[in-house]
Amino acid sequence: GENVEQHPSTLSVQEGDSAVIKCTYSDSASNYFPWYKQELGKRPQLIIDIRSNVGEKKDQRIAVTLNKTAKHFSLHITETQPEDSAVYFCAPMAYNFNKFYFGSGTKLNVKP
Amino acid sequence: GAVVSQHPSRVICKSGTSVKIECRSLDFQATTMFWYRQFPKQSLMLMATSNEGSKATYEQGVEKDKFLINHASLTLSTLTVTSAHPEDSSFYICSAGGLVIETQYFGPGTRLLVL
Repeated sequence: GENVEQHPSTLSVQEGDSAVIKCTYSDSASNYFPWYKQELGKRPQLIIDIRSNVGEKKDQRIAVTLNKTAKHFSLHITETQPEDSAVYFCAPMAYNFNKFYFGSGTKLNVKP
Repeated sequence: GAVVSQHPSRVICKSGTSVKIECRSLDFQATTMFWYRQFPKQSLMLMATSNEGSKATYEQGVEKDKFLINHASLTLSTLTVTSAHPEDSSFYICSAGGLVIETQYFGPGTRLLVL
């Protein structure tokens, strides 16, 4: 399976600051790059995704950037709020394999 | 959005017994369903991929005789943990694939505790 790494594993920011989480993957065939948010005891929720023909995508306070050459993509959250506190996972996928391999996760803590 | 349910949401069983977990897509037909396991403070680990009407494809290291997966219809997949042991205690989550290949809808998860 694909090797997926996330950094940092934990991130603590002050409310209003920005947060950036990076995901590095190994399979060059990957062409779909989602980010999920998981609150304690709940199911993962898709918050943003990007496909390999696009370098950046933004949705209000959330953005994702992709560098296919270097095989990494990043989640950017601006103007963080306490409700952004959760664990975030990346899960790159190659269409021909139709499988998701989740990164190790990043626990984001936004301090009010 | 599409809805996926899991049943039961929580189960406690004795060591050596078998437990069946159901995953249902309530308002769409799911040709592919995925089963994940998540230990506390860890990531989701893909266990197997099941396609309706065919045998499941298991990830390396996952015992197919211990984790029996059945995908008998386009709306139902089941995971049976056979002869469960305390180390099988975990959060089991299913997801169902929609018409768009990269879209997956997660169930709410089943928390299994084996005593």
